[in-house]
Order: sequence, then C-alpha cells, then structure tokens
Amino acid sequence: RKEVEQDPGPFNVPEGATVAFNCTYSNSASQSFFWYRQDCRKEPKLLMSVYSSGNEDGRFTAQLNRASQYISLLIRDSKLSDSATYLCVVDTGGFKTIFGAGTRLFVKA
Amino acid sequence: GAVVSQHPSRVICKSGTSVKIECRSLDFQATTMFWYRQFPKQSLMLMATSNEGSKATYEQGVEKDKFLINHASLTLSTLTVTSAHPEDSSFYICSASIFPGLAGGPAQFFGPGTRLTVL
Repeated sequence: RKEVEQDPGPFNVPEGATVAFNCTYSNSASQSFFWYRQDCRKEPKLLMSVYSSGNEDGRFTAQLNRASQYISLLIRDSKLSDSATYLCVVDTGGFKTIFGAGTRLFVKA
Repeated sequence: GAVVSQHPSRVICKSGTSVKIECRSLDFQATTMFWYRQFPKQSLMLMATSNEGSKATYEQGVEKDKFLINHASLTLSTLTVTSAHPEDSSFYICSASIFPGLAGGPAQFFGPGTRLTVL
C-alpha cells in the first residue's frame, strides 16, 4: 500500500460545479497535512493546510479525519483557472514529507 | 509567502557532463532544504534532505556519488548531477523549509524547478 494515495482522475467538471478530492494516508503518526496545487511543468504551490477542525479559504474547504486516515479537499463554484493537479501532502514528522501522485482536475467552460 | 529561487530553469547538456543546480531561499533562512525529482505525469519523489553544515540524507535508491548535494549556508543548497545520462532527464525541484511552519509543522516553499534534458 502506498503511504499516500489519491485518485489520479482526471476529474472533468463544468464551470460552477463542486468537486471533491480524497486522499488516504497509511502512517497513523502523521502530523501535518497539506494540499498543494501544481500547474503543468511548474513547481507545487501550497494551497492550504489541513486541520482536524476543518478549514476554509474562499471556495476551498479542507478536512482531516484522523480516525479514518484521510483528508479531503472541496472546491465550490469551480473556475477555469482551477484546472491543475492537486497534491495531497503528508508530513510524518522529522521532515519526512510524502507526496501523493496528484489528482488532475479539468474545469471546462 | 517565502520565496525560493532556483537556477538554471532549464539545462540541455550532453551525456557525460555534470550539471549544477542552485537553490536559494531569498527572504528567509531555511533550516532544511529538500531536493525532489519529478518524471512526466508522476509525483514528486524526494531525493535527499539537506541541512546546512552537515551531510545530506539520501532516500533509498538515490546514488550519493551521482547526485552531490552541498548546503553551504542557510540560504543556499546546490545539487550536482555528475556524469549525467539521458535517464537523468527530469524536472528537479528544490524546497526550503521553515520550522515551525503552518499547523505547527514545517512548511515547504518550492523553487520554480529546473528542467534537465540530457542528450
């Protein structure tokens, strides 16, 4: 089993749609969780951290479920500019950061 | 946010040559820098973790003698791909970490990446 698993997609959604991504992790000792966004041939950029209580930033909502060892990202009112690969990132402590393979999102007009 | 630069952004070289890639944290001192490699349509794969003034810690399967890492200061780390071959062609990305970062854990800020093509 991979340490961090994501559905690779692609998710093809129309503008304005709501889309959700899930990510599971295997190490129960994992300490910090993040969602990164990566555009084609560019470096990853931090989208948001994920807290147990859930956190929201505009159209983006991230949630963590420690008991089930998964994190989620919800994007509301999708924009064309949201098209990218979304990487689930888990920090297991001691600077050991594991990246998921990413979920590709295409938002169409 | 924190800025990390990487140079060069693109390199095309002949097989057998060595290539040096620089990673700099521009507006902060990074406790740790990381080097990743990404092949097309694949995820980032950590190659090594580098702390200033000490030897880098390499991930399993990464050759220390082929991928030389020097971390001379809190703002500069270099990766040298020695005797590069076509299979080394990849997207190399560095990141620098601030600890503690977001959510109480280290946050990583990525450089823009270096695309290496070995002919």
